[in-house]
Amino acid sequence: QQQVKQSPQSLIVQKGGISIINCAYENTAFDYFPWYQQFPGKGPALLIAIRPDVSEKKEGRFTISFNKSAKQFSLHIMDSQPGDSATYFCAAPPSSKGIQGAQKLVFGQGTRLTINP
Amino acid sequence: DAGVIQSPRHEVTEMGQEVTLRCKPISGHDYLFWYRQTMMRGLELLIYFNNNVPIDDSGMPEDRFSAKMPNASFSTLKIQPSEPRDSAVYFCASRKNRVGNEQFFGPGTRLTVL
Repeated sequence: QQQVKQSPQSLIVQKGGISIINCAYENTAFDYFPWYQQFPGKGPALLIAIRPDVSEKKEGRFTISFNKSAKQFSLHIMDSQPGDSATYFCAAPPSSKGIQGAQKLVFGQGTRLTINP
Repeated sequence: DAGVIQSPRHEVTEMGQEVTLRCKPISGHDYLFWYRQTMMRGLELLIYFNNNVPIDDSGMPEDRFSAKMPNASFSTLKIQPSEPRDSAVYFCASRKNRVGNEQFFGPGTRLTVL
């Protein structure tokens, strides 16, 4: 069964700083690694995702860096703002092969990010 | 589009009672997922459907849990009988039929079993 380990569990960053959240996975038969953002009282929503034919993907202030050999990927939030305060989840497909297995995502435990003004 | 709709948003019930959670996926989406979120266990996949057919229910914790999808626009998750350890936020999500497509989550149902 796929394990996705996310760190840190919580993170406090000053406004304008860089927030970094890390994720490690065991094995995956499919290459698709998303990050989801969840605000209190809401469902998770896709923030950014990467298919590792590239090692990095950037969308505005958010960047995913991917290291396939190390089976790790990370989320960087540049110029962090109070509005970025939320819980962030990484996810990875399961390790089992088969097209049906590819439809699932295994989520990390989440990182509660607080940006101090 | 209204997004994924879940009802009720909050449910408080007593141990032993039957609980039914409801979900309306986004129109045109082929996959529907039920998740449970707790502080201890994070976000767990319970079951998912493809074209209204249950594909993988390996995450359903016990026989007390059951899920149905009678048509493309409606799904239910039932707990009978409910127990205090079932207290959690239950999310429904849907997506189109393509590997790697975004899952769209509903607002969740916060269930409290006393």
